[in-house]
Amino acid sequence: QKEVEQDPGPLSVPEGAIVSLNCTYSNSAFQYFMWYRQYSRKGPELLMYTYSSGNKEDGRFTAQVDKSSKYISLFIRDSQPSDSATYLCAMSSTTSGTYKYIFGTGTRLKVLA
Amino acid sequence: ETGVTQTPRHLVMGMTNKKSLKCEQHLGHNAMYWYKQSAKKPLELMFVYSLEERVENNSVPSRFSPECPNSSHLFLHLHTLQPEDSALYLCASSQDGLGGVGNTIYFGEGSWLTVV
Repeated sequence: QKEVEQDPGPLSVPEGAIVSLNCTYSNSAFQYFMWYRQYSRKGPELLMYTYSSGNKEDGRFTAQVDKSSKYISLFIRDSQPSDSATYLCAMSSTTSGTYKYIFGTGTRLKVLA
Repeated sequence: ETGVTQTPRHLVMGMTNKKSLKCEQHLGHNAMYWYKQSAKKPLELMFVYSLEERVENNSVPSRFSPECPNSSHLFLHLHTLQPEDSALYLCASSQDGLGGVGNTIYFGEGSWLTVV
């Protein structure tokens, strides 16, 4: 079983839709969760990070962590064509050893104008 | 403009060539990383340096040779590569290499490498 599972998509939605991107993980030691956005032929750009279960909101973006289910989500409200990118989830732990950042494979999102 | 800059952005090299990728971070971080990104695969950690000391070498072939002369600069020296080494090579940095809160990892724009 992979440590992090992420649906690769592609996910196509109309402009203005609410988008839900998700990752599941198997290692209960993960404590710190990140979402990155990667445009084509560019490096990943940090969008949000959260620590512990619950929600964190930043503008149109909401990150949600459910540690009991080992499930994290990123919601995008009022999606725009400029949101079209690949979204990577990542997680790390301070207890499972140093330098341990685990990334999902990324979900490709297309927002249609 | 990111705090981590990589050069060159694109590189085409033959299998017998020797080339180097360069990375510089302007964030005052102490840990730097090389990752490889191939299509439909998760990011693969290659090397980690913390305070200029290599702390992880993730079973990377010896045709990839990293160098970290100081905490702001990181190089990846390439020689006798194979076509399957063609990928996006990403440099990244974090405050230190411990993971967790306050150690978010920041990436450069990447160097697209094609081996012919």
